[in-house]
Amino acid sequence: DVKVTQSSRYLVKRTGEKVFLECVQDMDHENMFWYRQDPGLGLRLIYFSYDVKMKEKGDIPEGYSVSREKKERFSLILESASTNQTSMYLCASTALTKAEAFFGQGTRLTVV
Amino acid sequence: GQNIDQPTEMTATEGAIVQINCTYQTSGFNGLFWYQQHAGEAPTFLSYNVLDGLEEKGRFSSFLSRSKGYSYLLLKELQMKDSASYLCAVWVYKLSFGAGTTVTVRA
Repeated sequence: DVKVTQSSRYLVKRTGEKVFLECVQDMDHENMFWYRQDPGLGLRLIYFSYDVKMKEKGDIPEGYSVSREKKERFSLILESASTNQTSMYLCASTALTKAEAFFGQGTRLTVV
Repeated sequence: GQNIDQPTEMTATEGAIVQINCTYQTSGFNGLFWYQQHAGEAPTFLSYNVLDGLEEKGRFSSFLSRSKGYSYLLLKELQMKDSASYLCAVWVYKLSFGAGTTVTVRA
């Protein structure tokens, strides 16, 4: 059974903290994505990666960075968390030639 | 950028048919996907269209017209468990999503 696993289901952090969200996939997929999902706005792409150490900005990268040191792991970093980053964060992965995306279960981050 | 539009909400009766439309304006096109997302859960894959025409998969069908930048998802014989959000997504060199359509199935 294919799996994308996010490190936390729920997270509460304080304003100004550095936050790490981890995502691991076991399908040997080349592409990995980080989205945030907010009511009425759908899934918005933050960053994505085609390969190890490669990263591309999505539609809303401000305030975020990413790291992909190993093929199976893609980390999202909030350098200094702010309340407007309170959201559901979803990680997804796809194979290079087949774009069906598999999603993790999501991390609901609350910044207080 | 990518512009993907779909209605916000739809309501239908159990056993009926509902059609969810999606229009897109994107810089390039490599395929269109439909995902289902139940409240509090991750999206799950429903269908994929890369060529014009209809793809049928049980009670769900999806149609694509690339020249019109248009797709629809057809849900037949609606069941209560079909109450969910339905997300239209376009693959260019990245996967971009519309805001989603919340479908409520009433008894």
